[in-house]
Amino acid sequence: QSALTQPASVSGSPGQSITISCTGTSSDIGTYNLVSWYQKHPGTAPKLIIFEFTKRPSGVSNRFSGSKSGNTASLTVSGLQPEDEAHYYCSSYAGSSTVLFGGGTKLTVL
Amino acid sequence: QVQLQESGPGLLKPSETLSLTCSVSGGSIGGSQWSWIRQSTGKGLEWIGYIHHSGGSNYNPSLRSRVTMSVDTSKNQFSLNLSSVTAADTAVYYCARDSSHYWKFDLWGRGTLVTVSS
Repeated sequence: QSALTQPASVSGSPGQSITISCTGTSSDIGTYNLVSWYQKHPGTAPKLIIFEFTKRPSGVSNRFSGSKSGNTASLTVSGLQPEDEAHYYCSSYAGSSTVLFGGGTKLTVL
Repeated sequence: QVQLQESGPGLLKPSETLSLTCSVSGGSIGGSQWSWIRQSTGKGLEWIGYIHHSGGSNYNPSLRSRVTMSVDTSKNQFSLNLSSVTAADTAVYYCARDSSHYWKFDLWGRGTLVTVSS
């Protein structure tokens, strides 16, 4: 099992939209609809923002949205705000009761 | 409001066993799956393994030979043991809840830093 692949960094200006990709394989993202996304600010615990590819937990802004295409999941953040600057991590169920995480993407709001 | 709190030694020597406990307050440990996840400095998150309140568990294949997890429902706690630690095991360790059993972690502890150094 290898970690899911994410870009190391993305950036955007306030008000713009950005998309973060998360690439896996046919053994994880490609098979299971169990991809989640987490937002992590420095020194704090990760926060669940997307689950099952497209669903948002109660209280999470609708500026966060998720999608899937083949073996790749994507997180889109629209209407960028300064507080969106954080690290974002994807995870996927990988079968046999195991989970994989991505390496994380640093989002910079310019 | 359910909260998770990790506890355990923050400094270990190489070859020792890392032992951490996660205390669940404000709710029951029953009905959920509980995971340990770590993050080494400058690196991504790594799932270590999970344990169910009934005692069923599974671990990351890369760590399976060194990991043991247990649950104490009477104390509303679950624990992680990681044997034969090295500097590579230095990380912030988080406990997390999966209340849906759909492999999403909807509640996390604040994390505890464990340093392995001679």
